[in-house]
Amino acid sequence: AQTVTQSQPEMSVQEAETVTLSCTYDTSENNYYLFWYKQPPSRQMILVIRQEAYKQQNATENRFSVNFQKAAKSFSLKISDSQLGDTAMYFCATTGSGTYKYIFGTGTRLKVLA
Amino acid sequence: AAGVIQSPRHLIKEKRETATLKCYPIPRHDTVYWYQQGPGQDPQFLISFYEKMQSDKGSIPDRFSAQQFSDYHSELNMSSLELGDSALYFCASSLNLKAGNTIYFGEGSWLTVV
Repeated sequence: AQTVTQSQPEMSVQEAETVTLSCTYDTSENNYYLFWYKQPPSRQMILVIRQEAYKQQNATENRFSVNFQKAAKSFSLKISDSQLGDTAMYFCATTGSGTYKYIFGTGTRLKVLA
Repeated sequence: AAGVIQSPRHLIKEKRETATLKCYPIPRHDTVYWYQQGPGQDPQFLISFYEKMQSDKGSIPDRFSAQQFSDYHSELNMSSLELGDSALYFCASSLNLKAGNTIYFGEGSWLTVV
């Protein structure tokens, strides 16, 4: 079974500052993948970043990077130089090689303040 | 690039009626997923299909059924609708999820049951 926990229901950050969103997970899969999705007010689900568990190097996509701690089963998202357009709900998700689904966390609502 | 197409985008039904949602995956994608997202909730996995066969099943009510057709499009049929079925229904698609490929989401179908 897989579970994903996001312990921060809401966060706020000043424009241009850096913020880190937390995510922990549990899985019985040997080979699995981790994702962060962004859901703005339009409710569209947009992929932010993807991490392969067998890769030790942390994934980076422009202003978005992750801190992947496999032993601790932690997968946090860092947003640098926050922009107003980053205001959204952020979901952490995982899937494994033995399943045909993503499991999502409960989300963190991020508000970027001008 | 082509995206996941869902129709209708908005649907209003009365209690005990039936609704059908359609999903057209990204060309060449072999797996389709259905998720339900209630107000303020994370997306809940309903069901998935790989190569037209049901591949995984989540918290899908017995009143709901789904299938994937020979052209890979999928339909979610919901009968005896209840007020609690009001939600945003996402369809998503991917190629070979077990290899860790990303799931791409459609814009969702809003179902309101009155």
